[in-house]
Amino acid sequence: GENVEQHPSTLSVQEGDSAVIKCTYSDSASNYFPWYKQELGKGPQLIIDIRSNVGEKKDQRIAVTLNKTAKHFSLHITETQPEDSAVYFCAASLGDDKIIFGKGTRLHILP
Amino acid sequence: DAGITQSPRHKVTETGTPVTLRCHQTENHRYMYWYRQDPGHGLRLIHYSYGVKDTDKGEVSDGYSVSRSKTEDFLLTLESATSSQTSVYFCAIKGNNEQFFGPGTRLTVL
Repeated sequence: GENVEQHPSTLSVQEGDSAVIKCTYSDSASNYFPWYKQELGKGPQLIIDIRSNVGEKKDQRIAVTLNKTAKHFSLHITETQPEDSAVYFCAASLGDDKIIFGKGTRLHILP
Repeated sequence: DAGITQSPRHKVTETGTPVTLRCHQTENHRYMYWYRQDPGHGLRLIHYSYGVKDTDKGEVSDGYSVSRSKTEDFLLTLESATSSQTSVYFCAIKGNNEQFFGPGTRLTVL
Protein backbone atom coordinates (compact mmCIF):
# COMPACT_ATOMS: atom_id res chain seq x y z
CA GLY A 1 0.00 0.00 0.00
CA GLU A 2 0.88 3.67 -0.13
CA ASN A 3 3.39 5.05 2.37
CA VAL A 4 4.02 8.74 2.96
CA GLU A 5 7.16 10.06 4.64
CA GLN A 6 7.28 13.65 5.92
CA HIS A 7 10.26 15.79 6.99
CA PRO A 8 11.15 17.50 9.18
CA SER A 9 9.08 16.54 12.20
CA THR A 10 9.74 19.95 13.76
CA LEU A 11 10.65 23.22 12.05
CA SER A 12 11.39 26.62 13.55
CA VAL A 13 11.70 29.70 11.34
CA GLN A 14 11.99 33.40 12.02
CA GLU A 15 8.89 35.43 11.33
CA GLY A 16 9.04 36.72 7.77
CA ASP A 17 11.27 33.90 6.53
CA SER A 18 10.15 30.99 4.37
CA ALA A 19 9.31 27.46 5.54
CA VAL A 20 9.55 24.30 3.46
CA ILE A 21 8.11 20.90 4.36
CA LYS A 22 8.91 17.87 2.23
CA CYS A 23 7.10 14.59 1.64
CA THR A 24 7.76 11.46 -0.38
CA TYR A 25 5.30 8.80 -1.42
CA SER A 26 5.77 5.21 -2.50
CA ASP A 27 2.97 4.42 -4.97
CA SER A 28 3.55 5.98 -8.39
CA ALA A 29 -0.18 5.64 -9.11
CA SER A 30 -1.06 8.24 -6.45
CA ASN A 31 -2.64 11.23 -8.13
CA TYR A 32 -3.93 13.56 -5.41
CA PHE A 33 -1.78 15.31 -2.80
CA PRO A 34 -3.49 17.46 -0.17
CA TRP A 35 -1.92 19.45 2.65
CA TYR A 36 -3.64 20.00 5.98
CA LYS A 37 -3.04 22.49 8.78
CA GLN A 38 -4.01 21.57 12.32
CA GLU A 39 -4.24 24.17 15.04
CA LEU A 40 -4.24 23.25 18.70
CA GLY A 41 -7.46 21.55 19.77
CA LYS A 42 -8.95 21.48 16.29
CA GLY A 43 -9.33 19.03 13.43
CA PRO A 44 -7.05 19.21 10.38
CA GLN A 45 -8.11 21.71 7.77
CA LEU A 46 -7.33 21.47 4.06
CA ILE A 47 -5.14 24.40 2.98
CA ILE A 48 -4.02 23.45 -0.51
CA ASP A 49 -3.91 20.43 -2.77
CA ILE A 50 -2.36 19.39 -6.05
CA ARG A 51 -3.21 16.75 -8.59
CA SER A 52 -0.73 14.71 -10.59
CA ASN A 53 -1.33 16.55 -13.84
CA VAL A 54 0.06 19.78 -12.34
CA GLY A 55 3.62 20.55 -11.20
CA GLU A 56 2.97 23.56 -9.00
CA LYS A 57 0.08 25.40 -7.41
CA LYS A 58 0.01 28.67 -5.49
CA ASP A 59 -2.47 30.31 -3.18
CA GLN A 60 -1.27 33.61 -1.78
CA ARG A 61 1.67 32.83 0.55
CA ILE A 62 1.51 29.07 0.20
CA ALA A 63 2.59 26.92 -2.71
CA VAL A 64 2.93 23.22 -3.37
CA THR A 65 5.27 21.57 -5.86
CA LEU A 66 5.10 18.01 -7.17
CA ASN A 67 7.85 15.95 -8.75
CA LYS A 68 6.20 12.79 -10.07
CA THR A 69 9.44 11.27 -11.29
CA ALA A 70 11.06 11.49 -7.88
CA LYS A 71 7.75 10.87 -6.07
CA HIS A 72 8.07 13.82 -3.79
CA PHE A 73 6.07 16.96 -3.10
CA SER A 74 6.68 20.00 -0.94
CA LEU A 75 4.83 22.78 0.83
CA HIS A 76 6.31 26.28 0.74
CA ILE A 77 5.14 29.07 3.01
CA THR A 78 6.60 32.50 2.32
CA GLU A 79 6.65 35.58 4.56
CA THR A 80 5.71 33.48 7.57
CA GLN A 81 3.46 34.99 10.22
CA PRO A 82 2.71 33.98 13.82
CA GLU A 83 -0.64 32.47 12.76
CA ASP A 84 1.24 29.99 10.56
CA SER A 85 2.37 28.17 13.72
CA ALA A 86 0.60 24.81 13.63
CA VAL A 87 1.06 21.15 12.69
CA TYR A 88 1.06 20.47 8.96
CA PHE A 89 0.25 17.12 7.36
CA CYS A 90 0.91 16.00 3.81
CA ALA A 91 -1.10 13.17 2.30
CA ALA A 92 -1.36 11.09 -0.85
CA SER A 93 -4.27 9.35 -2.49
CA LEU A 94 -4.72 6.92 -5.33
CA GLY A 95 -8.02 8.63 -6.05
CA ASP A 96 -9.90 5.76 -4.48
CA ASP A 97 -11.45 5.59 -1.05
CA LYS A 98 -8.46 6.34 1.14
CA ILE A 99 -5.99 9.14 1.82
CA ILE A 100 -2.69 8.21 3.50
CA PHE A 101 -1.15 10.84 5.79
CA GLY A 102 2.41 11.68 6.75
CA LYS A 103 3.26 11.91 10.43
CA GLY A 104 3.14 15.70 10.53
CA THR A 105 5.48 18.68 10.94
CA ARG A 106 5.20 21.02 13.86
CA LEU A 107 6.00 24.52 12.59
CA HIS A 108 7.07 27.21 15.06
CA ILE A 109 7.24 30.82 13.91
CA LEU A 110 9.74 32.69 16.05
CA PRO A 111 9.24 36.40 16.82
CA ASP B 1 -16.61 23.15 9.58
CA ALA B 2 -18.11 21.38 6.56
CA GLY B 3 -21.18 20.27 8.51
CA ILE B 4 -19.52 17.60 10.66
CA THR B 5 -20.10 17.15 14.35
CA GLN B 6 -18.71 14.59 16.77
CA SER B 7 -20.07 13.47 20.10
CA PRO B 8 -19.00 13.33 22.79
CA ARG B 9 -16.10 15.78 22.51
CA HIS B 10 -14.43 14.36 25.63
CA LYS B 11 -14.84 11.05 27.40
CA VAL B 12 -13.09 9.26 30.23
CA THR B 13 -13.84 5.59 30.68
CA GLU B 14 -12.43 2.50 32.34
CA THR B 15 -10.69 -0.48 30.81
CA GLY B 16 -13.11 -3.14 29.67
CA THR B 17 -16.12 -0.89 29.17
CA PRO B 18 -17.83 -0.39 25.79
CA VAL B 19 -17.63 3.04 24.18
CA THR B 20 -19.43 4.45 21.16
CA LEU B 21 -18.42 7.63 19.38
CA ARG B 22 -20.77 9.35 16.97
CA CYS B 23 -20.08 11.29 13.81
CA HIS B 24 -22.87 13.26 12.18
CA GLN B 25 -22.79 15.06 8.83
CA THR B 26 -25.25 17.39 7.14
CA GLU B 27 -23.57 17.26 3.71
CA ASN B 28 -25.10 14.02 2.44
CA HIS B 29 -21.65 12.74 1.42
CA ARG B 30 -21.21 9.09 0.62
CA TYR B 31 -17.78 8.58 2.23
CA MET B 32 -17.12 8.85 5.95
CA TYR B 33 -13.95 7.99 7.88
CA TRP B 34 -12.70 7.40 11.40
CA TYR B 35 -9.07 8.22 12.27
CA ARG B 36 -7.08 8.19 15.46
CA GLN B 37 -4.31 10.67 16.13
CA ASP B 38 -1.40 9.87 18.44
CA PRO B 39 1.92 11.65 18.99
CA GLY B 40 4.53 10.42 16.53
CA HIS B 41 1.98 8.56 14.41
CA GLY B 42 0.02 11.27 12.67
CA LEU B 43 -3.45 10.31 11.48
CA ARG B 44 -4.18 6.63 11.09
CA LEU B 45 -7.29 5.27 9.43
CA ILE B 46 -9.41 2.95 11.58
CA HIS B 47 -12.46 2.24 9.40
CA TYR B 48 -14.31 3.97 6.63
CA SER B 49 -17.69 3.77 4.95
CA TYR B 50 -18.62 4.20 1.31
CA GLY B 51 -22.37 4.08 1.82
CA VAL B 52 -25.14 2.96 4.14
CA LYS B 53 -24.17 -0.42 5.59
CA ASP B 54 -20.99 -0.45 3.46
CA THR B 55 -17.80 -0.30 5.50
CA ASP B 56 -14.19 -1.40 5.24
CA LYS B 57 -11.14 -1.65 7.47
CA GLY B 58 -8.27 0.77 7.67
CA GLU B 59 -4.73 0.22 8.91
CA VAL B 60 -5.55 0.08 12.65
CA SER B 61 -8.96 -1.59 12.82
CA ASP B 62 -8.29 -4.20 15.53
CA GLY B 63 -10.47 -3.60 18.59
CA TYR B 64 -12.87 -1.29 16.74
CA SER B 65 -16.14 -1.79 14.91
CA VAL B 66 -18.31 0.64 12.96
CA SER B 67 -21.86 0.95 11.78
CA ARG B 68 -23.66 3.18 9.32
CA SER B 69 -27.42 2.76 9.23
CA LYS B 70 -28.08 6.26 7.87
CA THR B 71 -26.14 8.45 5.44
CA GLU B 72 -25.63 11.14 8.05
CA ASP B 73 -24.35 9.02 10.96
CA PHE B 74 -21.20 6.91 11.31
CA LEU B 75 -20.62 5.22 14.66
CA LEU B 76 -17.31 3.94 16.03
CA THR B 77 -17.51 1.34 18.82
CA LEU B 78 -14.83 0.08 21.12
CA GLU B 79 -16.35 -3.18 22.38
CA SER B 80 -13.99 -3.41 25.36
CA ALA B 81 -11.83 -0.34 25.75
CA THR B 82 -8.11 -0.71 26.51
CA SER B 83 -5.54 1.85 27.63
CA SER B 84 -3.89 1.66 24.18
CA GLN B 85 -7.07 3.14 22.73
CA THR B 86 -6.54 6.40 24.60
CA SER B 87 -6.32 8.85 21.72
CA VAL B 88 -7.95 11.68 19.86
CA TYR B 89 -10.47 10.40 17.34
CA PHE B 90 -11.38 12.33 14.22
CA CYS B 91 -14.23 11.75 11.84
CA ALA B 92 -13.97 12.94 8.24
CA ILE B 93 -16.18 13.12 5.19
CA LYS B 94 -15.15 13.23 1.56
CA GLY B 95 -16.60 15.48 -1.06
CA ASN B 96 -15.08 16.06 -4.52
CA ASN B 97 -12.03 14.01 -3.48
CA GLU B 98 -11.34 16.38 -0.55
CA GLN B 99 -11.58 15.24 3.05
CA PHE B 100 -13.05 17.51 5.70
CA PHE B 101 -12.52 16.75 9.36
CA GLY B 102 -14.68 17.06 12.42
CA PRO B 103 -13.51 18.72 15.66
CA GLY B 104 -12.35 15.47 17.29
CA THR B 105 -13.16 13.41 20.40
CA ARG B 106 -10.57 13.05 23.14
CA LEU B 107 -10.94 9.59 24.71
CA THR B 108 -9.10 8.55 27.84
CA VAL B 109 -9.19 4.92 28.96
CA LEU B 110 -8.06 4.44 32.55
